[in-house]
Amino acid sequence: DTGVSQDPRHKITKRGQNVTFRCDPISEHNRLYWYRQTLGQGPEFLTYFQNEAQLEKSRLLSDRFSAERPKGSFSTLEIQRTEQGDSAMYLCASSLNLGEQYFGPGTRLTVT
Amino acid sequence: GENVEQHPSTLSVQEGDSAVIKCTYSDSASNYFPWYKQELGKGPQLIIDIRSNVGEKKDQRIAVTLNKTAKHFSLHITETQPEDSAVYFCAASKRNDKIIFGKGTRLHILP
Repeated sequence: DTGVSQDPRHKITKRGQNVTFRCDPISEHNRLYWYRQTLGQGPEFLTYFQNEAQLEKSRLLSDRFSAERPKGSFSTLEIQRTEQGDSAMYLCASSLNLGEQYFGPGTRLTVT
Repeated sequence: GENVEQHPSTLSVQEGDSAVIKCTYSDSASNYFPWYKQELGKGPQLIIDIRSNVGEKKDQRIAVTLNKTAKHFSLHITETQPEDSAVYFCAASKRNDKIIFGKGTRLHILP
């Protein structure tokens, strides 16, 4: 257990529905990252926060995706109007400044 | 954009033998190269990392080497054990914020 928790661990949804995932980082970590991992691939960077500020977003993050970290602690990732191509593992990581990134166990999303 | 290539995609070695995984990166500005181990149902876990001002780093049975000129880096695991079976990812980063991962190597340790 790295100290980063994600909820839920698994989510099955129908195409077109909205889903929201939560990440709780290690408490003193000021940076929080979201990655997406599809089967047989490495994680792909989506976005990251320093405190409550979202500093970078990948081209992978379409308009249907939005991430927030309102108080600089936990973060949420919302996907609107889910598509089958959104099926993946969504990983959250946190770090203290530019230190080691600690990954959570991920949320596995299946869109049917 | 930045790209990290990793090979082999699958590697089987006899218990006790050594395993080597090789990676190349495209962005010459990359200066941080972490290696992650991912077990089933878990997120990636950092096992060792190397920065561009260092050519080699060792931690017990694990060693990493970096050739900045050739943009190659590699992971060496010696005296492999059953618990080393997992998927290993190499990665590269310019500032250790956005990490670019390779596609992974599935390592099987054969009894």
